Amino acid sequence: QSALTQPASVSGSPGQSITISCTGTSSDVGGYNCVSWYQQQLGKAPKLMIYDVSIRPSGVSNRFSGSKSGNTASLTISGLQAEDEADYYCSSYTSSTTLPYVFGTGTKVTVL
Amino acid sequence: EVHLLESGGGLVQPGGSLRLSCAASGFTFSTYAMSWVRQAPGKGLEWVSGISGSGGITYYADSVKGRFSVSRDNSKNTLYLQMNSLRAEDTALYYCAKRVAPAPNGRAFDSWGQGTLVTVSS
Repeated sequence: QSALTQPASVSGSPGQSITISCTGTSSDVGGYNCVSWYQQQLGKAPKLMIYDVSIRPSGVSNRFSGSKSGNTASLTISGLQAEDEADYYCSSYTSSTTLPYVFGTGTKVTVL
Repeated sequence: EVHLLESGGGLVQPGGSLRLSCAASGFTFSTYAMSWVRQAPGKGLEWVSGISGSGGITYYADSVKGRFSVSRDNSKNTLYLQMNSLRAEDTALYYCAKRVAPAPNGRAFDSWGQGTLVTVSS
């Protein structure tokens, strides 16, 4: 089971919208509506931003939204703010009986 | 408020052993599956191991299978990871993480500890 593929970096100016992609296979992203997204700021633990493709946990800004099409999931950050600068990881449940979760390669978001 | 606190990390020689603990509070511990996720220095997240709420079902990544063992003591609200035959590539910050919802829903992790650092080096 390989890691999900994400772009290494995405950047945008304050106020803009950016989208991070997460590509897997039919055995993970494409097979289940169990994609989640995590924000990790420097030196901190990951924070859940989206789960089950598009559900925002309580307290997460509605500027963050998730979607999925086929084997590719996406995280969109609208109205980009300086505080959004962080690493973002996607994750998916998988069909593997020995590796039920796989993470993405990670994307560094830079606010210009 | 959910709180997870890992402990037990440290410097160990290749081939050595360590036991990590994760003390949980703020939720009904026995109701939720838990996982260990690690992050090597400067690298991404890697799921390592998971255990059901009752402790009866366990999962391991291929990279640690046969060397690591996950367990939990629901009477003490504590999760454990016994790590044996440690290798240099096991060097990482180890996080414990709580599943969003009781099985079969919420296959994601909504609460994470601050991590405990494991360094395998001679």
